Amino acid sequence: AQTIHQWPVAEIKAVGSPLSLGCTIKGKSSPNLYWYWQATGGTLQQLFYSITVGQVESVVQLNLSASRPKDDQFILSTEKLLLSHSGFYLCAWDRGGSDYTFGSGTRLLVI
Amino acid sequence: GQQVQQSPTSLVLQEGENAELQCNFSTSLNSMQWFYQRPGGSLISVFYNPSGTKQSGRLTSTTVIKERRSSLHISSSQITDSGTYLCAMEDGTGGYKVVFGSGTRLLVSP
Repeated sequence: AQTIHQWPVAEIKAVGSPLSLGCTIKGKSSPNLYWYWQATGGTLQQLFYSITVGQVESVVQLNLSASRPKDDQFILSTEKLLLSHSGFYLCAWDRGGSDYTFGSGTRLLVI
Repeated sequence: GQQVQQSPTSLVLQEGENAELQCNFSTSLNSMQWFYQRPGGSLISVFYNPSGTKQSGRLTSTTVIKERRSSLHISSSQITDSGTYLCAMEDGTGGYKVVFGSGTRLLVSP
């Protein structure tokens, strides 16, 4: 069975500090991977997607970047956090045919 | 760009009543999926339904592509159905872009 794991579960970070969020999927080779973000009370927005190692496409620019260093790993990062980065970050993969499964998410508070 | 509108924004029911949640989209779609969002934020897939009607227990989803809409019907609602329901569609213009609706917050009271 496939599993998707996100880390950390939650973070409190200072404005201007760096950030790295991780997502790993096991049991599925060459998955399509996605990052989403949801501001408190807001709508989920797709940030990035990746269909293969080393390739990442940006959907929404939020002064964030993403990388896919391994087939089963997707990383979301920034060198300088903004207050507006606070929210809930979700990683997802699709089972094929656009049937998506999400990780349990990372809650980020920037202060 | 692609827009997805959900209605109603919120819904309050008494236990046992039925609920009808709607999702309308502005352009062609490639797929449609309904999710339940837990209070903690994580998403559980309720239906993957790009077209037609699917049923699972008390839940039924119907997607009509020509009419650019999808619905989620909850029959005989239970308190545990309370939460936020989101619809999401993959843009039919190609690529891997997914757009979410803003959600329907359902509260089922005893």
